[in-house]
Amino acid sequence: GNSVTQMEGPVTLSEEAFLTINCTYTATGYPSLFWYVQYPGEGLQLLLKATKADDKGSNKGFEATYRKETTSFHLEKGSVQVSDSAVYFCALNAGNNRKLIWGLGTSLAVNP
Amino acid sequence: GAVVSQHPSWVICKSGTSVKIECRSLDFQATTMFWYRQFPKQSLMLMATSNEGSKATYEQGVEKDKFLINHASLTLSTLTVTSAHPEDSSFYICSARGAGSINQPQHFGDGTRLSIL
Repeated sequence: GNSVTQMEGPVTLSEEAFLTINCTYTATGYPSLFWYVQYPGEGLQLLLKATKADDKGSNKGFEATYRKETTSFHLEKGSVQVSDSAVYFCALNAGNNRKLIWGLGTSLAVNP
Repeated sequence: GAVVSQHPSWVICKSGTSVKIECRSLDFQATTMFWYRQFPKQSLMLMATSNEGSKATYEQGVEKDKFLINHASLTLSTLTVTSAHPEDSSFYICSARGAGSINQPQHFGDGTRLSIL
């Protein structure tokens, strides 16, 4: 079946530290991969996406590369800010109706 | 672009009442809308998928008579929690996907926090 596994949190970093949040997936067919972010008390926002192997999604300094050989889509940022504190969800779309399959989310806290 | 508005953002009501939540796509036509439920510190649970003009497809374990979904137009879907009870208290989130490729991302509303007393 289709599934997404992402590293458990919480992750606590100091400002300007390097961030990696691991995400691996299993899927049939050719899914698109997404990272969504949920700031405290808010809904989800699309952070970045990749639709095929070797694509790199990027936004707001965050990057993730669709690696088919390792079935991974790890999220990275070179220098985090306090304002990046949020919960990050990895997801893939699957099935005829392209439902999103979600990871459990990783909470990130960035301290000044 | 791709703004989804969800209303209300927060509602408190007595047990036994029905609550309607609206989800609107403001600047695009949403052929498909999704309704999710999110428990504290957990991931999203897909409740149902609705395509404009047709009946919603509910996920296993979700009571269709309890959670009524209507997607009557390309910009509006509603979720009605009927005869709500405290165990229905949760954060409900809608998302919308536009026409065209089904690989398009879903765009999310800000969620509705429902508290049943």
